[in-house]
Amino acid sequence: GNSVTQMEGPVTLSEEAFLTINCTYTATGYPSLFWYVQYPGEGLQLLLKATKADDKGSNKGFEATYRKETTSFHLEKGSVQVSDSAVYFCALSPQGGSEKLVFGKGTKLTVNP
Amino acid sequence: DTAVSQTPKYLVTQMGNDKSIKCEQNLGHDTMYWYKQDSKKFLKIMFSYNNKELIINETVPNRFSPKSPDKAHLNLHINSLELGDSAVYFCASSRVAGGGSDEQFFGPGTRLTVL
Repeated sequence: GNSVTQMEGPVTLSEEAFLTINCTYTATGYPSLFWYVQYPGEGLQLLLKATKADDKGSNKGFEATYRKETTSFHLEKGSVQVSDSAVYFCALSPQGGSEKLVFGKGTKLTVNP
Repeated sequence: DTAVSQTPKYLVTQMGNDKSIKCEQNLGHDTMYWYKQDSKKFLKIMFSYNNKELIINETVPNRFSPKSPDKAHLNLHINSLELGDSAVYFCASSRVAGGGSDEQFFGPGTRLTVL
C-alpha cells in the first residue's frame, strides 16, 4: 500500500541553522508529493509540492526535490527562523488521481532565538 | 474571508452524548474531507465527499455520520461519544476530485474533548 515515513521529532534548532526533515515514501508509479505545515493552533496549509520526478518545490525559503530513485522528498531550509516553529507533514497523493492524501506522522520543529 | 471554516472551535462533552461539527467552504470547491488528528499529531482521513456524494469512507465507526446538504457544506455528526473520540477534527476541501496534485485547504480544526 501507499505510505509515507518521515523522521521522528521533535527537532530543536537555533535561529539561522540549517534544516533537513527526511521523508521517504512507498507508492506505485508516480505519486504527487507535498509538504504541509501546521502552525500552533491552526489547520494545515500547503508549503510546497512536486508532481513529477526531479521536480523541485519551493516556498518561503523551503525546498524539496522529488527523487524517484531514492523515493524521497526531503525538506530543507538554509536558515530557519523562530517563526518556522511548527509541525511539518510530508504527504503523497497516489498516481491516477485518487483523492486520498496519505500523510506522514509529522515532525515538530522548534526554533530558538 | 475565511476559506474553510468550522464550528465550534472547541467542544467539551460527556461520554454518550451526540454532537455535530459543521464545516463550510467558500472556495467553490467540489470535494470536501474530514480528518482526525490524534494527540500525537497523526492525521488520518475519515471521509470525502464530491458534489454531495460520498467517495471515501475509511474504517470509521458507524457512530460517525457525515452529511453534505450542498457542496459547500460537510457536517460531521457523532453519536454516543466515547473517550477515544477526543481529538482535533479538521475539515478540508479541494477543487476537484481525482486531481492528484490538487492542494487541499484545511479549516482551523475543532478540538473535541470527551469526559
